[in-house]
Amino acid sequence: DQQVKQNSPSLSVQEGRISILNCDYTNSMFDYFLWYKKYPAEGPTFLISISSIKDKNEDGRFTVFLNKSAKHLSLHIVPSQPGDSAVYFCAATTGNQFYFGTGTSLTVIP
Amino acid sequence: GAGVSQTPSNKVTEKGKYVELRCDPISGHTALYWYRQSLGQGPEFLIYFQGTGAADDSGLPNDRFFAVRPEGSVSTLKIQRTERGDSAVYLCASSLSGGRRDTQYFGPGTRLTVL
Repeated sequence: DQQVKQNSPSLSVQEGRISILNCDYTNSMFDYFLWYKKYPAEGPTFLISISSIKDKNEDGRFTVFLNKSAKHLSLHIVPSQPGDSAVYFCAATTGNQFYFGTGTSLTVIP
Repeated sequence: GAGVSQTPSNKVTEKGKYVELRCDPISGHTALYWYRQSLGQGPEFLIYFQGTGAADDSGLPNDRFFAVRPEGSVSTLKIQRTERGDSAVYLCASSLSGGRRDTQYFGPGTRLTVL
């Protein structure tokens, strides 16, 4: 049973515009959420995280929003750059185990 | 500085054979994780080491899978009697001390193909 879901397998955005990647989860015990970015033939790289006690965390061009009542989080990238083109995974955890979504492939068009 | 390295980068084996996949974590990192990523899926947790001991091995799919970390640094994932369904990219990650807030650094993975 997939506890973390990313329903959009791909997304295309013009350079300079906002990219919004979405993630839903089912387990209300998750208390920490993360976004990872992955380039081909490389392992995932940590991007940004958020604790369940917050609803927003910002780091430069990247902002993660958490809506606990809807069990939904999103990653906003603004402005989007061609170098942001990659697969983005959201992940959630209650402790030792980390549950990942299936990923969204973002393409930023120059 | 050196990141997490994994060897081999690719492994092709025949059904029923035994394979070992190696992970060299970042020096000084006490926590080490193994994940499996099947095609079109996200990484799936297999096992978590804290030092030399397996703190959580509940993600190992069956008793054909086993992992060790005898000296608290390098880890080996061992798969016996491989099956075609074991074909996937096996990812290793390490973090300084473990726990949800500790950044995990991933290696590039080992692509295992079972023919």
